[in-house]
Order: sequence, then C-alpha cells, then structure tokens
Amino acid sequence: GQNIDQPTEMTATEGAIVQINCTYQTSGFNGLFWYQQHAGEAPTFLSYNVLDGLEEKGRFSSFLSRSKGYSYLLLKELQMKDSASYLCAVGGNAGNMLTFGGGTRLMVKP
Amino acid sequence: DTAVSQTPKYLVTQMGNDKSIKCEQNLGHDTMYWYKQDSKKFLKIMFSYNNKELIINETVPNRFSPKSPDKAHLNLHINSLELGDSAVYFCASSQDGTGGNTIYFGEGSWLTVV
Repeated sequence: GQNIDQPTEMTATEGAIVQINCTYQTSGFNGLFWYQQHAGEAPTFLSYNVLDGLEEKGRFSSFLSRSKGYSYLLLKELQMKDSASYLCAVGGNAGNMLTFGGGTRLMVKP
Repeated sequence: DTAVSQTPKYLVTQMGNDKSIKCEQNLGHDTMYWYKQDSKKFLKIMFSYNNKELIINETVPNRFSPKSPDKAHLNLHINSLELGDSAVYFCASSQDGTGGNTIYFGEGSWLTVV
C-alpha cells in the first residue's frame, strides 16, 4: 500500500523561506511530484524528483531521499500569492498512478 | 487555450439522479484520468485510460462508468447519485501511462448531491 504524510497547515511571513516536508511509504516508487493547488482551482505541477538530491526551479526547490522515504519542498522569498495547498504525490508501480498526500495548506502573512 | 477542460464546473442534483461530466484534452496525450477530491482534500485516483482502453480502475462503485470515445475525451457517468458522491471531480491527462509523466489537471467539477 501507499502512505504519504505531510503537515496539515503551515504559516510563514512574506519574504521568508518555508520548507514543507513529506514522508512516504510505498510498495513501489516511480518518482515524487509536488503540486500547488489554490483554493477552488486545479492542482498545478511544480516539481518532479526521481533521483536523490535537490532540484531547483526559481524560487522553488524540491529534495528527495529515497532511502529515507522523504522529500521536501522549499519556497524562498515568499509572496502572498504562494498561499495555497501543496500536495506531495508518489508514483507507484501501476502505470502512472499517483497517490497524493492530504496536502499542506500554507498561509503567507504580511 | 485550455489544455484539459471539463464541464460542467458546478452541478447540484438530487439523490437518485444520473449525471455526466465531460472531459476533453487538447494536449495530444495518450492517457487520461479521473480523480476525486473529497471534503478533506485528499485526491484519489478513480480511473485511468490509455488510448481509449481502461488501465486502472480503483475501488469505485460500479455506479461510476467512464467512457472514452477517443483518446482526447474521457467522460464520467454516475448513476443513482448518493450524498457521499458530493466532491470535486478532476479530469487529468499525461503524455502516456508510464511512470514519471507529469499529470495535467482540468479545472474540476464541483458536484453537490442534495
């Protein structure tokens, strides 16, 4: 089976850095995705890690450690528009089926 | 230029009714999906189709019947709607069904069963 854990809520200040953690236990592993979802909107793709290490993309970076079953999403220079839910999702063995965590709701305050 | 589009966006209906949600993607992808997001915000896979063929069918009541007339369309028909079916249904697509392909989601259809 698949089990994915991430904090339910986080709060951070505009301009700061925040790290959102995700731990997973899966029967197979085919990469880890991070998606951003604003309230009432569709999830949008942020990052994909399949090998260990850090992937950087502008203000957002994502890290993966397969041996530890652990990933984090790092958001730098936070902006108010970054207030959203951040979904960690793991690809398993069955095709391209993703198993999602419950999401972390990030609130950015002035 | 919407990549994955689904209609209707909002749907309020009574228990026992039958309803359909339509989905189309213009990305040229081979694989399409239906996901359900419940009130606790968990996104769960329901179905996956690759080039019109059913690939994944998670534990979903057989009141839910997907239909894929061609690889660009995947519609979801729900019979005998129940209160517990109230959720947001997201259609999605990816280049193909191999692992690691980015999944692109539609805007979602908010279904409320009263």
